[in-house]
Amino acid sequence: QAVVTQEPSLTVSPGGTVTLTCGSSTGAVTSGHYPYWFQQKPGQAPRTLIYDTSNKHSWTPARFSGSLLGGKAALTLSGAQPEDEAEYYCLLSYSGVYWVFGGGTKLTVL
Amino acid sequence: QVQLQESGPGLVKPSQTLSLTCTVSGGSISSGSYYWSWIRQPAGKGLEWIGRIYTSGSTNYNPSLKSRVTISVDTSKNQFSLKLSSVTAADTAVYYCARTDVWGKGTTVTVSS
Repeated sequence: QAVVTQEPSLTVSPGGTVTLTCGSSTGAVTSGHYPYWFQQKPGQAPRTLIYDTSNKHSWTPARFSGSLLGGKAALTLSGAQPEDEAEYYCLLSYSGVYWVFGGGTKLTVL
Repeated sequence: QVQLQESGPGLVKPSQTLSLTCTVSGGSISSGSYYWSWIRQPAGKGLEWIGRIYTSGSTNYNPSLKSRVTISVDTSKNQFSLKLSSVTAADTAVYYCARTDVWGKGTTVTVSS
């Protein structure tokens, strides 16, 4: 089974920009992995931010964007706010048969 | 808008079968083309995808859990369900149902005698 890797932790200054990445043990992440990004705050259920690499839901703040970068899926936060401090998970699809979550990135806004 | 709610026993004995139900409200589970998933999260750890059922009824499971998992749908009740057999303490977690864009609030299941 594939392993999906994320940075364990990142720190960004308020108003700053940070990029979280999501890699795959099987090779480059492509649009065919249909990358998802989720945000989870302590004690809450996850919330979907990005689907199919770069698509946003109506509730996704405009400061979040998804892309492919250097063989990985990426979530970029531009203009970080204190309320963006959370755990972020990516999810990749493999052969349309199974999904795998990354281990999560704990983002600190400080 | 669509909302999901998990329900089921909060305590399951080792070697028994864990059974959870997700009730969908605000929309029909049969309409559209969606995957309905089960995901779990042990305390203090990351998310683990358990499996999914498509609107058509086809299923896919996490290879590491496949031998113990069954996901089914009851369109008459607008629900889908999870059964996980031969549970151990390692199956203790918060269990979420989700449509990938919408998540339930989660339900805690503890495996203990």
